[in-house]
Amino acid sequence: QQQVKQSPQSLIVQKGGIPIINCAYENTAFDYFPWYQQFPGKGPALLIAIRPDVSEKKEGRFTISFNKSAKQFSLHIMDSQPGDSATYFCAASRIQGAQKLVFGQGTRLTINP
Amino acid sequence: GAVVSQHPSWVICKSGTSVKIECRSLDFQATTMFWYRQFPKQSLMLMATSNEGSKATYEQGVEKDKFLINHASLTLSTLTVTSAHPEDSSFYICSALDRPSNEQYFGPGTRLTVT
Repeated sequence: QQQVKQSPQSLIVQKGGIPIINCAYENTAFDYFPWYQQFPGKGPALLIAIRPDVSEKKEGRFTISFNKSAKQFSLHIMDSQPGDSATYFCAASRIQGAQKLVFGQGTRLTINP
Repeated sequence: GAVVSQHPSWVICKSGTSVKIECRSLDFQATTMFWYRQFPKQSLMLMATSNEGSKATYEQGVEKDKFLINHASLTLSTLTVTSAHPEDSSFYICSALDRPSNEQYFGPGTRLTVT
């Protein structure tokens, strides 16, 4: 019940395309859903996060869509660039990260020029 | 703001020796810090939650006597890998909890290689 399932494992998109990464969770007590971007050899960096009281959140080229009834959320990257090539992790926690984050398995995204 | 540092960034040690990794919150106080381990091409796995002035809480399956955590101040937590073995080779990442925002900020990670 603590798991967060992420798909796909890897994704290749042409520059300008819109990669979509999906996550699903079981624990309805989760109330904070962040996405992290990680480059090789670096720690993860927070991209964008959403609470379950909204269905969508946009920050720059990144958008989270949230479906509370389906217990799913997804990350969309608009106008993707080669610099967006990285591994993306979804996560979930309670009380906005004050309690431990449960991470998805990660998606290795490649944006081809 | 909200910067977390780790030291060292990478370390190589011989099997049987101990290694200490530091995690510092540079511009905020963190009563709670988290330690993660990440194997190549895998996700982050929480090892333990470190609270200032009290004992760390370890996740199931993590040996508390092998991975010693000390959170002695509001800006510093340390992870000591005792009697390291090659299977302990991994990327260790800490995060620090900023209470006003309840946001976790991650450090850059420490690459440990045990030979």
